[in-house]
Amino acid sequence: DAGVTQSPTHLIKTRGQQVTLRCSPKSGHDTVSWYQQALGQGPQFIFQYYEEEERQRGNFPDRFSGHQFPNYSSELNVNALLLGDSALYLCASTKRSASYGYTFGSGTRLTVV
Amino acid sequence: QKEVEQDPGPLSVPEGAIVSLNCTYSNSAFQYFMWYRQYSRKGPELLMYTYSSGNKEDGRFTAQVDKSSKYISLFIRDSQPSDSATYLCAMSPVVGAAGNKLTFGGGTRVLVKP
Repeated sequence: DAGVTQSPTHLIKTRGQQVTLRCSPKSGHDTVSWYQQALGQGPQFIFQYYEEEERQRGNFPDRFSGHQFPNYSSELNVNALLLGDSALYLCASTKRSASYGYTFGSGTRLTVV
Repeated sequence: QKEVEQDPGPLSVPEGAIVSLNCTYSNSAFQYFMWYRQYSRKGPELLMYTYSSGNKEDGRFTAQVDKSSKYISLFIRDSQPSDSATYLCAMSPVVGAAGNKLTFGGGTRVLVKP
């Protein structure tokens, strides 16, 4: 049973560029959340998608946007990249009814130069 | 002040020792408490979860929650070098229409020396 799959694993972008990260949730999961983890820190919640709609959002600017597709997969888009956007971006999936049991992917390491 | 505070460590212990980890929090709405383990260059892996106050044991791992003190703990008995990782506490409120985001501590790096 495949867990959460994220692509790409590593990415290098230039300041001002735009980036799209992708996530396929674990089989049977319908809710996808995205987290940003800076080096040496805990993950910070970006937003959560369920039924193709953004349901909750953390303290991130509008440069961060997302999408969820009918097959529950999701994308995270970041526009006008800043050096401070360099981080590990984690996708986590769960069933809507669960308050725990999140399964995380291995993340996409984004470096902005 | 952060909602969830966690000592960053590093915490170095000899193999076989008990590892003691803890987090404090300020948000009374938190009802679900989790511990994740994260190896280098990997995503967090759920170790244990507890609901409200109390203790829970799973093999070598014991999780404790004291909601009156807003304090949670994780104990790892008979620690092994393979337990060397960063341990993250995470919390969330009861599931509601707004979703159930996790709020993490900053993580504690643990090193178990052979």
